[in-house]
Amino acid sequence: GIQVEQSPPDLILQEGANSTLRCNFSDSVNNLQWFHQNPWGQLINLFYIPSGTKQNGRLSATTVATERYSLLYISSSQTTDSGVYFCAVVSAGGGNKLTFGTGTQLKVEL
Amino acid sequence: GAGVSQTPSNKVTEKGKYVELRCDPISGHTALYWYRQSLGQGPEFLIYFQGTGAADDSGLPNDRFFAVRPEGSVSTLKIQRTERGDSAVYLCASSHGAGLYNEQFFGPGTRLTVL
Repeated sequence: GIQVEQSPPDLILQEGANSTLRCNFSDSVNNLQWFHQNPWGQLINLFYIPSGTKQNGRLSATTVATERYSLLYISSSQTTDSGVYFCAVVSAGGGNKLTFGTGTQLKVEL
Repeated sequence: GAGVSQTPSNKVTEKGKYVELRCDPISGHTALYWYRQSLGQGPEFLIYFQGTGAADDSGLPNDRFFAVRPEGSVSTLKIQRTERGDSAVYLCASSHGAGLYNEQFFGPGTRLTVL
């Protein structure tokens, strides 16, 4: 099946700093989503972005489907950004199920 | 409701017992998914319903796991003869359907602990 790798696995930032999280996938995808899992375990939808670029406030994302990667940008980070960020894809040949990456654990400190 | 809801939020059971976990999808969503998340890992797919039928159950680990969605809305995940290795957070998601409308939205999960 499709493989999804995220980097870095762990990241510590000072409040106000910017960061880029990367998601690589091994095959063609129909869909790609970015999630933030907060400390209470809730998966929060950030972006639905099978291709192109989107922005939402301090967050933006870019997916280059032909090169099989996606990037999530966090600017002016805040302590509430802490948690785990997951990239998840629906493989072009894999039905409708999401395959999740390994996640990036982000901690934003004062 | 506004989002996907799951009950109970926590379930503690003893090895060998039977459990049922419930999921209420977003109103109007025809597709419903179950995932399982173990500590420190990303969610893993279990089963997907389109309407009342299971369109893909390839992620169910064995025949102790079963899920139903009899009226095309609420779904129940059933686990027989629970084992300690079944302990995890069980997540439910729903979406409008396939293709362009396949953005999945997740519920808060049920944390299952098998003693």
